[in-house]
Amino acid sequence: NAGVTQTPKFQVLKTGQSMTLQCAQDMNHNSMYWYRQDPGMGLRLIYYSASEGTTDKGEVPNGYNVSRLNKREFSLRLESAAPSQTSVYFCASTKRGDADTQYFGPGTRLTVL
Amino acid sequence: GQQLNQSPQSMFIQEGEDVSMNCTSSSIFNTWLWYKQDPGEGPVLLIALYKAGELTSNGRLTAQFGITRKDSFLNISASIPSDVGIYFCAGHGRSNYQLIWGAGTKLIIKP
Repeated sequence: NAGVTQTPKFQVLKTGQSMTLQCAQDMNHNSMYWYRQDPGMGLRLIYYSASEGTTDKGEVPNGYNVSRLNKREFSLRLESAAPSQTSVYFCASTKRGDADTQYFGPGTRLTVL
Repeated sequence: GQQLNQSPQSMFIQEGEDVSMNCTSSSIFNTWLWYKQDPGEGPVLLIALYKAGELTSNGRLTAQFGITRKDSFLNISASIPSDVGIYFCAGHGRSNYQLIWGAGTKLIIKP
């Protein structure tokens, strides 16, 4: 079991460029999440998908879109990257009935110049 | 919105020392969670607390759910080098799917 995988690990973008962060889990979990982590601010929820076919906004959704492609995959898209989106992005998943135990991927470190 | 205040921000300790950190909120939480993040990795759940006054241990780690439901404490006894990392408290937000996270306590062990 690989758990939660994320690609890429690192990315540098110029302002205005677009990109998609990929996330996949092989634990048959129902719910998936995208967070960003900034120094001194903990983790902030961008979007989540409670189950396949549904997505909902979290605390900081502006500038992002998501797609729950199937039960395994949940992608995060930046349509027009801004320097304020420089951050470390984490994907997580949870199984049905246990939203407390979130399994995290290794993160994507994104820099927007 | 709901916020969690975590302190201290960072701690420099000697190997073998005991460590204490805490998390407070201006509003009531029904669940308190403690996660640890190793350098370069995502957080991992250490302890979950579900009842006011609850005291739960996981090896050398002990966490308590405050009686007022507005705070929680994490203690680490006899720290070892692999304890370094960032410790986060978290609780449920508007829905069970949303966790509110503290800013973290960074633990550094002096050589």
